[in-house]
Amino acid sequence: AQTVTQSQPEMSVQEAETVTLSCTYDTSENNYYLFWYKQPPSRQMILVIRQEAYKQQNATENRFSVNFQKAAKSFSLKISDSQLGDTAMYFCAFMRPNYGGATNKLIFGTGTLLAVQP
Amino acid sequence: EAGVAQSPRYKIIEKRQSVAFWCNPISGHATLYWYQQILGQGPKLLIQFQNNGVVDDSQLPKDRFSAERLKGVDSTLKIQPAKLEDSAVYLCASSLAYLYNEQFFGPGTRLTVL
Repeated sequence: AQTVTQSQPEMSVQEAETVTLSCTYDTSENNYYLFWYKQPPSRQMILVIRQEAYKQQNATENRFSVNFQKAAKSFSLKISDSQLGDTAMYFCAFMRPNYGGATNKLIFGTGTLLAVQP
Repeated sequence: EAGVAQSPRYKIIEKRQSVAFWCNPISGHATLYWYQQILGQGPKLLIQFQNNGVVDDSQLPKDRFSAERLKGVDSTLKIQPAKLEDSAVYLCASSLAYLYNEQFFGPGTRLTVL
């Protein structure tokens, strides 16, 4: 069974600075997807960034980038130029491809609460 | 484009009572998911539908939880009877099709069982 571990329950960063959130996972699959989701206090879960395991290049979306280390099963999220609106719970999630009708459910970590300080 | 709609947003009930949650996915999305998010934990899948068929309900406590998606569009999740440990946020998500990996989430329903 796949598992996702986020070892930082809470983090704090000053506005305009850079912060890195950690995530490790365990799987025997070779092909899969990894995601970072953001859940602000309003509770609507929003996709931040995704990474396909077969791609060696790290994904980037504006101020958000990942460091994907497949051999180490590590998937960290870097937020540059932090903004007050980045304050939220961040979840790392794993998805296996939907082979032969199997579920493509998201398997989430326990989350990291990020507070951006003015 | 309208997002995933859920109602009610909040519900407080006594243990052993019944409760139902409703979800309307994004128009055209064939796949619908119900996740349970207990305080301090990440969401966990309860049930996944592809159109009106069930793909996975292995984590659904079937002695008390039921879900349906009769016309392959909106869905209802029911708990009967509720227990204290059912207190959680119930998230509905949808995706365009099985082959697409992005899931869009609704605002959730926060259930408190007293």
